[in-house]
Amino acid sequence: DAKTTQPTSMDCAEGRAANLPCNHSTISGNEYVYWYRQIHSQGPQYIIHGLKNNETNEMASLIITEDRKSSTLILPHATLRDTAVYYCIVSAQAGANSKLTFGKGITLSVRP
Amino acid sequence: EAQVTQNPRYLITVTGKKLTVTCSQNMNHEYMSWYRQDPGLGLRQIYYSMNVEVTDKGDVPEGYKVSRKEKRNFPLILESPSPNQTSLYFCASRRMTTPATNEKLFFGSGTQLSVL
Repeated sequence: DAKTTQPTSMDCAEGRAANLPCNHSTISGNEYVYWYRQIHSQGPQYIIHGLKNNETNEMASLIITEDRKSSTLILPHATLRDTAVYYCIVSAQAGANSKLTFGKGITLSVRP
Repeated sequence: EAQVTQNPRYLITVTGKKLTVTCSQNMNHEYMSWYRQDPGLGLRQIYYSMNVEVTDKGDVPEGYKVSRKEKRNFPLILESPSPNQTSLYFCASRRMTTPATNEKLFFGSGTQLSVL
């Protein structure tokens, strides 16, 4: 699986958009980009995933560059409850095992 | 409510005393998996199961056992716990589809295990 690079931490003001970047320059054509988050030692929570096209759901938007070497997770109106570690993962999930490799992620701090 | 339930949430034990951490899901998922999380090492997969009576090793299976006798349950067994198994453990599940790439993992709330 391709590796990802994320900043260690970032912060944003409550109510503003949080844009979390991720680099995955060695991504293969069959690898998806996944985002999960983990709120203070709770179980990771799925946010969104995509292959080539930009994706949006009730939680966030995922913008993938045309060359697929990087992506941005956007939380449109961050709240204090969005403070968490966000993991960007690329995986083709070869076979049927979910070999999602969680790195160190980026710690997002939402300030009042 | 769709969920993955782990018990106990916290467990303190002593070296060599057998223990079981239970995991149950109510979503009729075929796939279940156990992970451990340690500072600086991220989440590492211990064992996984793609259906009843089908289990396989993950990346760090040593010292652990699992069983999958029923679809909803996937207990993690430590026959002789050691201090290096002190960790935060997570159970996860998902549907099995083809291709597997489009299915998200649902995680339990975690079990913090301390082996003294």
